[in-house]
Amino acid sequence: EAAVTQSPRSKVAVTGGKVTLSCHQTNNHDYMYWYRQDTGHGLRLIHYSYVADSTEKGDIPDGYKASRPSQENFSLILELASLSQTAVYFCASRTGGTQYFGPGTRLLVL
Amino acid sequence: GDSVTQTEGQVALSEEDFLTIHCNYSASGYPTLFWYVQYPGEGPQLLFRASRDKEKGSSRGFEATYDKGTTSFHLRKASVQESDSAVYYCALSDITGNTGKLIFGLGTTLQVQP
Repeated sequence: EAAVTQSPRSKVAVTGGKVTLSCHQTNNHDYMYWYRQDTGHGLRLIHYSYVADSTEKGDIPDGYKASRPSQENFSLILELASLSQTAVYFCASRTGGTQYFGPGTRLLVL
Repeated sequence: GDSVTQTEGQVALSEEDFLTIHCNYSASGYPTLFWYVQYPGEGPQLLFRASRDKEKGSSRGFEATYDKGTTSFHLRKASVQESDSAVYYCALSDITGNTGKLIFGLGTTLQVQP
């Protein structure tokens, strides 16, 4: 079973502040993804990476940056958090065409 | 672009009822289709997948058949239990550009009463 962990599990941030969400996987998967979950929108892809030190934009990258310093770690960075970024964020890794999701980070921007 | 449509936003059933959640997709070629289940406070977890026409995926009593003719992958279970209460997502894997990203439907919340 793939193991994907996320930290923190929840966070309250102030508008304009910097937020970093972290993801760690222990299965040597090449691909990692960041999704955002909102009521009425399902899950949408923000950024992804297929190799360390490289990231790619997904469908809704505006306002987000990503960093993949190693195969195991993938971070999502909100340089200037905004109210509209309040959501639940999921990290996933992929092998054999199947994605395995972490438990999510609930972010509230005030 | 590719898309997934789940008809039901919410489904309320009693234990032992028959479940159907409708999923239709729009995509070129042969995307892999998935059903994921999400329990409160957790991430989505794979229920099962199917990769070709007429292939049936199944797990824990749930099943769905890939139908390219009707572009559907409907989820069914003959007898639901209270423990099946969760959010169910239909998804397809984007086969263009080799990103492997998933395109999700909006999800269906299933509530099963004892």
